[in-house]
Amino acid sequence: AQSVTQPDIHITVSEGASLELRCNYSYGATPYLFWYVQSPGQGLQLLLKYFSGDTLVQGIKGFEAEFKRSQSSFNLRKPSVHWSDAAEYFCAVGEGSDMRFGAGTRLTVKP
Amino acid sequence: GAGVSQSPRYKVAKRGQDVALRCDPISGHVSLFWYQQALGQGPEFLTYFQNEAQLDKSGLPSDRFFAERPEGSVSTLKIQRTQQEDSAVYLCASSLAVGPSYNEQFFGPGTRLTVL
Repeated sequence: AQSVTQPDIHITVSEGASLELRCNYSYGATPYLFWYVQSPGQGLQLLLKYFSGDTLVQGIKGFEAEFKRSQSSFNLRKPSVHWSDAAEYFCAVGEGSDMRFGAGTRLTVKP
Repeated sequence: GAGVSQSPRYKVAKRGQDVALRCDPISGHVSLFWYQQALGQGPEFLTYFQNEAQLDKSGLPSDRFFAERPEGSVSTLKIQRTQQEDSAVYLCASSLAVGPSYNEQFFGPGTRLTVL
């Protein structure tokens, strides 16, 4: 069965530092991959998605992610974190009408 | 333009009560999804509508859960005889096109259900 793993439950970084959030998936075919961000009391917002083609995808708010088939990973990165990036981040895999989300990584940004 | 709206935002129910959660998708969006998000977890798929047709309800946890979208716009998720394990945030999402998993889904703020 397909699954999504986000190994880090909580990450703390200093403002201005770089960020990498990990995501691994278990899936037979090349999946559709997504990163969403959820701020407190808000709905999930799509940061970026990968369907095919260039394995490095750019998203909103300065985020990017790289699909690595050999590692079954789709890690999210940002070169310089802003205090407003503090939120919960979810990786998701889609197939058919089924969208499976990871358990999320909570990002705290230190001033 | 308005995004996806959900009501109520918060609902407290006594165990055994029935509840109805409403979702107003973005106008013109064909696809509509319901998810359940337990505390500290990611959203879990419940059901999917294409217009008024419920094409996938494989994620509904029991027959106490029922969803409808009779006119292809507003949707209602009903939970009968609520149990404590039903306590969660219920998220609704809509998408402009068919082919649910590869089109961007726009999420509402959710309804937080607490069953006492």
